[in-house]
Amino acid sequence: EIVLTQSPATLSLSPGERATLSCRASESVSSYLAWYQQKPGQAPRLLIYDASKRATGIPARFSGGGSGTDFTLTISSLEPEDFVFYYCQQRSDRPLTFGGGTKVEIK
Amino acid sequence: QVQLQESGPGLVKPAETLSLTCTVSGGSMSRYYWSWIRQPPGKGLEWIGYIYSSGKTTYNPSLESRLSISLDTSKKQLSLRLSSVTAADTAVYYCARILQDSNGWYYYYYMDVWGRGTTVTVSS
Repeated sequence: EIVLTQSPATLSLSPGERATLSCRASESVSSYLAWYQQKPGQAPRLLIYDASKRATGIPARFSGGGSGTDFTLTISSLEPEDFVFYYCQQRSDRPLTFGGGTKVEIK
Repeated sequence: QVQLQESGPGLVKPAETLSLTCTVSGGSMSRYYWSWIRQPPGKGLEWIGYIYSSGKTTYNPSLESRLSISLDTSKKQLSLRLSSVTAADTAVYYCARILQDSNGWYYYYYMDVWGRGTTVTVSS
């Protein structure tokens, strides 16, 4: 199965700063990668799909990039509600797999 | 607006079968894929499997020997059965709809609508 490795595990930043999260695949997934946001006690929310397409209703401060094995999620200016968990997921092969997650915390 | 709601026993004994239902409201189940995902306490997400509205299933190989996913479009319900459970099956279980394009013919295999999740604990 395709293993997704997210880094860093924890990212400590201040509101208004730029956040860059990484997801690396164990083999090429082309552009078939998504990013989710998960707040405590809630279900994940789809942010980005196929590496760079914003899902419906997602603010423009969220952007995705990359292809092959290396992907990034960028939050251009952190809002207070952005300090939560983020997961990547690939759909290139079955089983569908998720990364281990990155926690964005307030510095 | 489609909403999903999981339901089922919160406590299951080891070696027994975990059974959950997901009820779909506000939309049709037809021509969609529906998925189950779980999240052990304090850990990441694990895809369990998905089913098309025709009944065709795809399972995670790590669970396939114990797993059954089905749906009843007339009742607008999706079901999961996981047999021979152990403590490792303790998790929040989510049902979700798989994203498709606006024409309804291309499936992205990402989850765009999720239920709130239901907590299942395996313990005697």
